[in-house]
Amino acid sequence: NAGVTQTPKFQVLKTGQSMTLQCAQDMNHEYMSWYRQDPGMGLRLIHYSVGAGITDQGEVPNGYNVSRSTTEDFPLRLLSAAPSQTSVYFCASSRTEGVHTEAFFGQGTRLTVV
Amino acid sequence: DAKTTQPPSMDCAEGRAANLPCNHSTISGNEYVYWYRQIHSQGPQYIIHGLKNNETNEMASLIITEDRKSSTLILPHATLRDTAVYYCIVRPIYNQGGKLIFGQGTELSVKP
Repeated sequence: NAGVTQTPKFQVLKTGQSMTLQCAQDMNHEYMSWYRQDPGMGLRLIHYSVGAGITDQGEVPNGYNVSRSTTEDFPLRLLSAAPSQTSVYFCASSRTEGVHTEAFFGQGTRLTVV
Repeated sequence: DAKTTQPPSMDCAEGRAANLPCNHSTISGNEYVYWYRQIHSQGPQYIIHGLKNNETNEMASLIITEDRKSSTLILPHATLRDTAVYYCIVRPIYNQGGKLIFGQGTELSVKP
């Protein structure tokens, strides 16, 4: 029972490099989202998707792109990494129908931009 | 979405009840109170949620005041493994997809 899987777990980038953080879920959830967490802070929403082909911005979208071509996958792209993007990134998924929607989180990707 | 206020840190002795307060004085009638916790910078984990009645599950109890402006998460017999950051979150009932707005949470330290 994999749940939400994020890869890689750790990554070091140089300023200006690009990369994609992968997120996959096997629970057939419509809703997926990306958060970042800076030291001593709570999680902040970057982008989210309510289904394949539909994405929207969260609280801190600048510098990040997303797309959702399948229900299972929701990659996060950094086009030109900056030191300010050093953070821990969490992906989450949940159902959209129903009143109670529990979010399931991955284990995080720890990104350092030097 | 309504904002929440939590103490930044709390201590609790192992085996005792941990009572974590949360203030959400601007909560509206169509908003739930959710609690998540985050252990050792792992991904957050759902604990419990409620609307206006007290709730209990295998992990915890949630007590919501009658005016719904505050709530308390109770871990009845805290263990060392309950050491974590606990987040109180308010979200609309029909928040499609469960978009969550996190505050800074309460860092609970359970001590032997």
